[in-house]
Amino acid sequence: GNSVTQMEGPVTLSEEAFLTINCTYTATGYPSLFWYVQYPGEGLQLLLKATKADDKGSNKGFEATYRKETTSFHLEKGSVQVSDSAVYFCALTPPSGTYKYIFGTGTRLKVLA
Amino acid sequence: GAGVSQTPSNKVTEKGKYVELRCDPISGHTALYWYRQSLGQGPEFLIYFQGTGAADDSGLPNDRFFAVRPEGSVSTLKIQRTERGDSAVYLCASSPGQLGNSPLHFGNGTRLTVT
Repeated sequence: GNSVTQMEGPVTLSEEAFLTINCTYTATGYPSLFWYVQYPGEGLQLLLKATKADDKGSNKGFEATYRKETTSFHLEKGSVQVSDSAVYFCALTPPSGTYKYIFGTGTRLKVLA
Repeated sequence: GAGVSQTPSNKVTEKGKYVELRCDPISGHTALYWYRQSLGQGPEFLIYFQGTGAADDSGLPNDRFFAVRPEGSVSTLKIQRTERGDSAVYLCASSPGQLGNSPLHFGNGTRLTVT
């Protein structure tokens, strides 16, 4: 079946450090891939997405590249800020059921000043 | 503009009671979703509406769970004979269409605690 696996958190970094949060997926065909972010006290919101292989999604300094060969969609940011502290969720929508988002378990990021 | 609104934000109920959770989607969004998020887990799909009809309710865990969207806007998730295992955050989301790459707009959720 379709699934998403994320690295476990929490991830604790100092401000301006480099961030990687790993995400791998299992799916039939070519799913669409997403990163959602949940800031403290707020609902989940879309951070970035990629809909086909080799696409790179980017937003607010975050990037992720859709890698079909490694079935991965790792989230990266070159220099994190305290305001990036949040829970990050990797997700996919399978080609067969395009509305049914499948989420990973989430990775909590804490950035220290 | 207004986002997705969920009420109540918190609900505590006793085992065996009936509860209703409400979702007001973004105006004009035809697609509406309910997800459930247990502690330490990602959101799990429950049900999807396109307009007034439930296009897919395959994620509802059993027949104690039911959801409606009678006028194609507000939706209510209904849980009968609640059990302690139903305790979770119930998330509602809407999107403008039914395509898989349309982003979901989430509400802040209703935290349900069954004692």
